Amino acid sequence: EAGVAQSPRYKIIEKRQSVAFWCNPISGHATLYWYQQILGQGPKLLIQFQNNGVVDDSQLPKDRFSAERLKGVDSTLKIQPAKLEDSAVYLCASSSPTEYQETQYFGPGTRLLVL
Amino acid sequence: EDQVTQSPEALRLQEGESSSLNCSYTVSGLRGLFWYRQDPGKGPEFLFTLYSAGEEKEKERLKATLTKKESFLHITAPKPEDSATYLCAVQRRSNYQLIWGAGTKLIIKP
Repeated sequence: EAGVAQSPRYKIIEKRQSVAFWCNPISGHATLYWYQQILGQGPKLLIQFQNNGVVDDSQLPKDRFSAERLKGVDSTLKIQPAKLEDSAVYLCASSSPTEYQETQYFGPGTRLLVL
Repeated sequence: EDQVTQSPEALRLQEGESSSLNCSYTVSGLRGLFWYRQDPGKGPEFLFTLYSAGEEKEKERLKATLTKKESFLHITAPKPEDSATYLCAVQRRSNYQLIWGAGTKLIIKP
């Protein structure tokens, strides 16, 4: 079974530029999460989708971050304009609500450096 | 406020030297406690889920235990390949979301 796919793996941009990340969850997983992980910290939830609807985006900085999940499968996370403090790893995870544990499975992440 | 604290922040052991990592938590309604392993440059990899106090789960050299306020990840006779950051997260009963600790960086020297 293929895991969660993310691209790109690395991105370096100047502050005030825009950037987009892509995630393809495990096939059949209805729930998709975007996390931000700053070096030395645990993941912080940015947004949670159930199919193509938003369940929780309370910690998403909506003035600069946006996310969508069209057709309930792939998802993109965008930052515009980027700030220095956005330098982090952006992790995508997926889970299935039909699993009792609803274990979240993670992709490899996208490492963003804002200069 | 829901919170997860892991200790120590970093732990260096010699190969074969057993030890334990701690995860203490406060959460309004615990559904489960998760342990993940994260290698450098990779996403977290699922290890265990614990649901009730007294529960234990084992996988190779790792054993996770749960009480009402904390969880321990015991590592027995570790090998260098066990070196990684171990993350703990609690799952809220209300919305299934995970609240994460900052992790313990484990280094096993040969």
